[in-house]
Amino acid sequence: DIQMTQSPASLSASLGETVTIQCQASEDIYSGLAWYQQKPGKSPQLLIYGASSLQDGVPSRFSGSGSGTQYSLKISSMQTEDEGVYFCQQGLKYPFTFGSGTKLEIK
Amino acid sequence: QVNLQESGPGIVKPSQPLSVTCSVTGYSITTSYYYWNWIRKFSGNKLEWMGYISYDSSIYYNPSLKSRISITRDTSKNQFFLQLNTVTTEDTAVYYCARQGAYFDYWGQGVMVTVSS
Repeated sequence: DIQMTQSPASLSASLGETVTIQCQASEDIYSGLAWYQQKPGKSPQLLIYGASSLQDGVPSRFSGSGSGTQYSLKISSMQTEDEGVYFCQQGLKYPFTFGSGTKLEIK
Repeated sequence: QVNLQESGPGIVKPSQPLSVTCSVTGYSITTSYYYWNWIRKFSGNKLEWMGYISYDSSIYYNPSLKSRISITRDTSKNQFFLQLNTVTTEDTAVYYCARQGAYFDYWGQGVMVTVSS
């Protein structure tokens, strides 16, 4: 199975701050990566797919980048509604696997 | 509007089977080329992909669960089902159903299933 190592485990950011979350795959996943946001009591929501494509309806302050085994999610200006847990997921090979999550809070 | 809704037992006794239903509205589960998945989340934020049944009824399971899992569907009701056999306390989790094109774009709200005697 492809292992997804996500960092940091938790993060606090001020309003307006730029936030970056990292995800490393155990092998090349050829941009087959998605990012999800999960708020308490809710299901995960797709933010980014194909490493850098923004899902419809997702604010443009979210962006994804990376290639090979290294990927990142950036929030360009932290908002209160961005609090939650963020997961990466590789979609190249079955079984699909997820990162361990990053809990993002407002400072 | 695509909507997925899980329903399940809440509590299951160890060694018994766990069964969860996903009811889909707003989209047919037989529409090409979508896959209908089960994913679970353990306490501590670990997510595990369990398996899918596709628009054309092909099935694929996570090898880690292969001996215990079964995914089926009822196209007349636009539902698909998860059965996990011989459960232990380690199967306690929130169970989600999700639609997948390339990625998981629609999810149900999840159902908490606790394995306890």
